[in-house]
Amino acid sequence: GQNIDQPTEMTATEGAIVQINCTYQTSGFNGLFWYQQHAGEAPTFLSYNVLDGLEEKGRFSSFLSRSKGYSYLLLKELQMKDSASYLCAVGTGTASKLTFGTGTRLQVTL
Amino acid sequence: NAGVMQNPRHLVRRRGQEARLRCSPMKGHSHVYWYRQLPEEGLKFMVYLQKENIIDESGMPKERFSAEFPKEGPSILRIQQVVRGDSAAYFCASSPGALNKLFFGSGTQLSVL
Repeated sequence: GQNIDQPTEMTATEGAIVQINCTYQTSGFNGLFWYQQHAGEAPTFLSYNVLDGLEEKGRFSSFLSRSKGYSYLLLKELQMKDSASYLCAVGTGTASKLTFGTGTRLQVTL
Repeated sequence: NAGVMQNPRHLVRRRGQEARLRCSPMKGHSHVYWYRQLPEEGLKFMVYLQKENIIDESGMPKERFSAEFPKEGPSILRIQQVVRGDSAAYFCASSPGALNKLFFGSGTQLSVL
């Protein structure tokens, strides 16, 4: 089976940088995804890593180490609208079936 | 290009009734996934379908739950004889093929009284 761990809650200040960590144990790994979910809304895709290293996309970056079963999502220049849950998900096998962590609820404060 | 469409947005049922949740994937997407989300919990995989086929239903409860994705029309998640524990948000997602990112609908919030 799969096991995915991420912190339950984090708080950060507007304009700051925050790193959300995710560790996983799985077999048949085919990629790691990060999604953002505002309360009561659909999860929206943020990033995808399949090879080790850092993927940068604007204010958001995601890092993957397959040997360590570790990923992080880095959010820069935080804005109030970044307050949301951030979901780490692992893809396994030959399909797009994803296994999600419980999510990290990020609160951005003034 | 319309996104993944789910309806209804909210559904209220009494115990013992049936619930039908509909999902129309994005245009050009032939893979559909259903997930359930309980308060304060992560998204839990239920079932993966392609047109007219169930590919993986390992996350579906063995009783009362069924899903289909017919050749024509939306995918349907059907819950018979609902119980209070079925109250949750049910999300549908689609992808154009295997090993692709998922696009999620806005979900159906099912409340069982």
